Amino acid sequence: GAVVSQHPSWVICKSGTSVKIECRSLDFQATTMFWYRQFPKQSLMLMATSNEGSKATYEQGVEKDKFLINHASLTLSTLTVTSAHPEDSSFYICSARPVITDYEQYFGPGTRLTVT
Amino acid sequence: GQNIDQPTEMTATEGAIVQINCTYQTSGFNGLFWYQQHAGEAPTFLSYNVLDGLEEKGRFSSFLSRSKGYSYLLLKELQMKDSASYLCAVMDSNYQLIWGAGTKLIIKP
Repeated sequence: GAVVSQHPSWVICKSGTSVKIECRSLDFQATTMFWYRQFPKQSLMLMATSNEGSKATYEQGVEKDKFLINHASLTLSTLTVTSAHPEDSSFYICSARPVITDYEQYFGPGTRLTVT
Repeated sequence: GQNIDQPTEMTATEGAIVQINCTYQTSGFNGLFWYQQHAGEAPTFLSYNVLDGLEEKGRFSSFLSRSKGYSYLLLKELQMKDSASYLCAVMDSNYQLIWGAGTKLIIKP
């Protein structure tokens, strides 16, 4: 149990275009989902925390108008990278926290974004 | 500020034992996690400690001392597939995970 999927697993896009990444909890409901970014040889960096039905909370330094997060249901959150640039190329990982717990998080497999 | 420290890289031999240390300073404490991450993949959960002491789970064990702000992950009977990065993360008073930079473990035959 506790499976989280992400789609797509990898994407290549041109500079200036937008890319949407989906994160789904497949067998549980998640009140809270987290979006992370990881650059090569670095640890996870939390970008934002999203709660179902409300606006996401962004970490300092993360542009909310560039990284649009929508958490429309208890099983789906989306991250849209708008007007992507090469420096946005990274590994984006989501995690989901089940409704019934305060501390558990289950990670999706990640999405590798390359902006050319 | 909040801080998680762990060694950048460690090397060990197949079949041996290795201990990866993690020290932390956070605003509040709601548990410490260890995750394993293979290159190009998302982290996978290994252990969760919220009380002092040792938690054993097969070849992996995790220890916590809250008074010392210290944890370690112990890996026994090392296998080549254990080559990965090991991430230490502490959940603070807001139930937010604070991540260490990870320890890259290299296993040699």
